[in-house]
Amino acid sequence: AQSVTQLDSQVPVFEEAPVELRCNYSSSVSVYLFWYVQYPNQGLQLLLKYLSGSTLVESINGFEAEFNKSQTSFHLRKPSVHISDTAEYFCAVSEASQGGKLIFGQGTELSVKP
Amino acid sequence: AAGVIQSPRHLIKEKRETATLKCYPIPRHDTVYWYQQGPGQDPQFLISFYEKMQSDKGSIPDRFSAQQFSDYHSELNMSSLELGDSALYFCASSSRHSGANVLTFGAGSRLTVL
Repeated sequence: AQSVTQLDSQVPVFEEAPVELRCNYSSSVSVYLFWYVQYPNQGLQLLLKYLSGSTLVESINGFEAEFNKSQTSFHLRKPSVHISDTAEYFCAVSEASQGGKLIFGQGTELSVKP
Repeated sequence: AAGVIQSPRHLIKEKRETATLKCYPIPRHDTVYWYQQGPGQDPQFLISFYEKMQSDKGSIPDRFSAQQFSDYHSELNMSSLELGDSALYFCASSSRHSGANVLTFGAGSRLTVL
């Protein structure tokens, strides 16, 4: 069975500072990895995904994540955050051979302050 | 583009009552997933359907049941409601033909049990 651990429950940061949200996973089989973002009182939006190929994946709003198989990590980074990035971020994993069921981490609350 | 539609968006029920949530997947998506997100919690997988057949089952209480209909919409039925059932219920859909592991989530149905 897979599991996901997000190492930080809350990350406060000042605007324009860099940020890293950490995610580690555990699985005995090949996995796909995802980051979802949840803005207050809203649903889950896919931020970026790793399915195969390049281990560095990027989103359209400046976030990137790198799949590190040896360290079983998929940390999310952004070099300069904005107030609008304030949200809950969930790392998720699914088994590559299965039909898409996602296992989520506990979430990291990113709070960007002016 | 069409998204996953969930109804109702908000629902208030008394203990021991019954509730039904509906989910309309993205057109041509063949798989539907249900998740439950308690206050301050990560989303927990409940159940999924592929081509109208149950494909996987997670931590869904026996008081809950779900099905997928011929038009691919799905309904989650919850009976003998308890206070602990108060949560945000997400539906997600995906297509095995265009990327089974990429789920698109609806905005969620918020159930409050009084």
